[in-house]
Amino acid sequence: EVQLLESGGGLVQPGGSLRLSCAASGFTFGSSAMTWVRQAPGRGLEWVSTTSAGGATTFYADSVRGRFTISRDNSKKTLFLQMDSLRAEDTAIYYCTSFVIGATRFFQHWGQGTLVTVSS
Amino acid sequence: DIQLTQSPSFLSASVGDRVTITCRASQGVSTNLAWYQQKPGRAPEVLIYAASSLQSGVPSRFSGSGSGTEFTLTISSLQAEDFATYFCQQLNTYPLTFGQGTRLEIK
Repeated sequence: EVQLLESGGGLVQPGGSLRLSCAASGFTFGSSAMTWVRQAPGRGLEWVSTTSAGGATTFYADSVRGRFTISRDNSKKTLFLQMDSLRAEDTAIYYCTSFVIGATRFFQHWGQGTLVTVSS
Repeated sequence: DIQLTQSPSFLSASVGDRVTITCRASQGVSTNLAWYQQKPGRAPEVLIYAASSLQSGVPSRFSGSGSGTEFTLTISSLQAEDFATYFCQQLNTYPLTFGQGTRLEIK
């Protein structure tokens, strides 16, 4: 059974930092691109960042570029999102997803999400 | 950035109804489009990928069609468990973008 388990969310003050983790199991993590998606309370879905299977290639939404860093440790089957200079508008549930890339593309497996609240 | 506009944003329907949700892209995305279902308090789940391919385990009452800039998700006969929010997503070009969502409620 595929599992993605996010952790590291919480309450942080504006300007602060958090590091999210996503522990993967049940699939070949090292062969899968991975993505972070967020959802502000009562709002829609927003793609945040994607990393290639090996971690060498990364993409970011304009809203987080320069403040967030995606990374992965394939030996530990774990995805990370380092979030710095946090703003109130970063408040959201953050989901990690596996990203099928090939002839077809879609976000296949999703974690349950971790809530990040940026507030003073 | 490619904007995705879903219509309607809200839909009220009854069990057994046939419903169609439309997703229009501001630029062509070929068939690199997926549909997700999200129930309250849960993570989204993929229903359709590549515009018309049914994800394994998804009931056959769900279907997708389209290419380029116009896409549809159809539920042939609504079941109680289908009342949820539906999102389209383009995976053709970064930044990857989602539609604003269609909330499907029981009439």
